[in-house]
Amino acid sequence: ETGVTQSPTHLIKTRGQQVTLRCSSQSGHNTVSWYQQALGQGPQFIFQYYREEENGRGNFPPRFSGLQFPNYSSELNVNALELDDSALYLCASSLAGLANEQYFGPGTRLTVT
Amino acid sequence: DAKTTQPNSMESNEEEPVHLPCNHSTISGTDYIHWYRQLPSQGPEYVIHGLTSNVNNRMASLAIAEDRKSSTLILHRATLRDAAVYYCILRANNAGNMLTFGGGTRLMVKP
Repeated sequence: ETGVTQSPTHLIKTRGQQVTLRCSSQSGHNTVSWYQQALGQGPQFIFQYYREEENGRGNFPPRFSGLQFPNYSSELNVNALELDDSALYLCASSLAGLANEQYFGPGTRLTVT
Repeated sequence: DAKTTQPNSMESNEEEPVHLPCNHSTISGTDYIHWYRQLPSQGPEYVIHGLTSNVNNRMASLAIAEDRKSSTLILHRATLRDAAVYYCILRANNAGNMLTFGGGTRLMVKP
């Protein structure tokens, strides 16, 4: 059983550019969530996907969008990058359900200059 | 959303037990109490969860107060590898799989 993987590990972009981050869920998991973690803070929920549909969103603008594919891998897209988007982006996969734990990947460190 | 309150930091000696407290006075009857930890340079890692009864697993124990307004994560013998930020999180019935992280408690373990 493989864990959650994310790519790339690190990324540097310029303000105004667009970025795509990728996540491969743990085998058998049908739900993926994305979080943003600024330096020194706890992760903040961006959105989650269940069976390829977005079914929950945090307080993030529409320029943050995502996709979940039939094999349950996922992408996070961020358009019109701003300096404040610099953060660690984490994805987590799980089975749907309140009691189910989420398995996090190691994250992608995005730096916007 | 129900919120949690944790101390910013705690210190422990290696091989001693550690009790990490969490207050959640506005918890609702269907909220699960989850604990995650985040080691340096890693994503968060699930530790344990419970609803009403105390829970034990290979990593830790979770003691839940009778009124459910507080809980305590217990590491029975702290090791240097347990140095991490520990997050106490309430998972609401209407929040899907969303986890609302607070600031957590930074646990430092001294050799």
